[in-house]
Amino acid sequence: QKEVEQNSGPLSVPEGAIASLNCTYSDRGSQSFFWYRQYSGKSPELIMFIYSNGDKEDGRFTAQLNKASQYVSLLIRDSQPSDSATYLCAVTEGGAQKLVFGQGTRLTINP
Amino acid sequence: EAQVTQNPRYLITVTGKKLTVTCSQNMNHEYMSWYRQDPGLGLRQIYYSMNVEVTDKGDVPEGYKVSRKEKRNFPLILESPSPNQTSLYFCASSFVAGDTQYFGPGTRLTVL
Repeated sequence: QKEVEQNSGPLSVPEGAIASLNCTYSDRGSQSFFWYRQYSGKSPELIMFIYSNGDKEDGRFTAQLNKASQYVSLLIRDSQPSDSATYLCAVTEGGAQKLVFGQGTRLTINP
Repeated sequence: EAQVTQNPRYLITVTGKKLTVTCSQNMNHEYMSWYRQDPGLGLRQIYYSMNVEVTDKGDVPEGYKVSRKEKRNFPLILESPSPNQTSLYFCASSFVAGDTQYFGPGTRLTVL
C-alpha cells in the first residue's frame, strides 16, 4: 500500500501570513501531484496541480515539488479567512490509474 | 454546465438491502472513480474505470460493485450493505487517468 502523508493539523495561521502545507509520498513512480481544498460538507475542489520539479505559482498559491525527496508542498500567501478549509494532497500511482489522497490538513485563518 | 452529478445525496437504509448510487458526468471524460471519505482516514478509492467496460479495483473494493456500460455513467452498487459502509461517497471524473479529477457533490449513506 503506497502512502501519502500530510503534516498533522489542525494548522492555525493569522490573516495575512503565509500558510505552509506539506505532503510526502512513498511511490517513486508517481507522476502527477494535486492539491484540493475541501470546505466542510462540500466536495473537494482543485487548487493546483504540478507535474515537474520546482515551483508553480497561481495567484496567492505556490506548489513546490521535489521528486528526489518525494515531497510536495503548498504555500498560501496573504492568507484570508476564506482559505479556512481542509487541504488534501493527492498523488497518482499505478501508472496514473489510481489517485491516492493524504488524510488532509485542516487550516484555520484567524482574522 | 459541466458537472458530475450523484443521486441520491442522502440515503438511510438497513443492513442487507441492495442499493445503487448513480453517478453521471457530461464532460465526455474517459476516467471515472468512486471514493469513500471517513473521519481520520481521508478519501480512499473504491473502484475506477479507464473507459467503457473497463473497471478495476481501488484500495477498498470489498462489498462494492460497479459497471461502466456508457461513458457518462458509473453507478456504485452495494448488494448487501453493512454498517461499516456508512460513509460519505464521492464520484469523480477526469478526461484521462492522471488528469485533474472533478468531484460530484457527494452521497451521505447511513446503513443501520
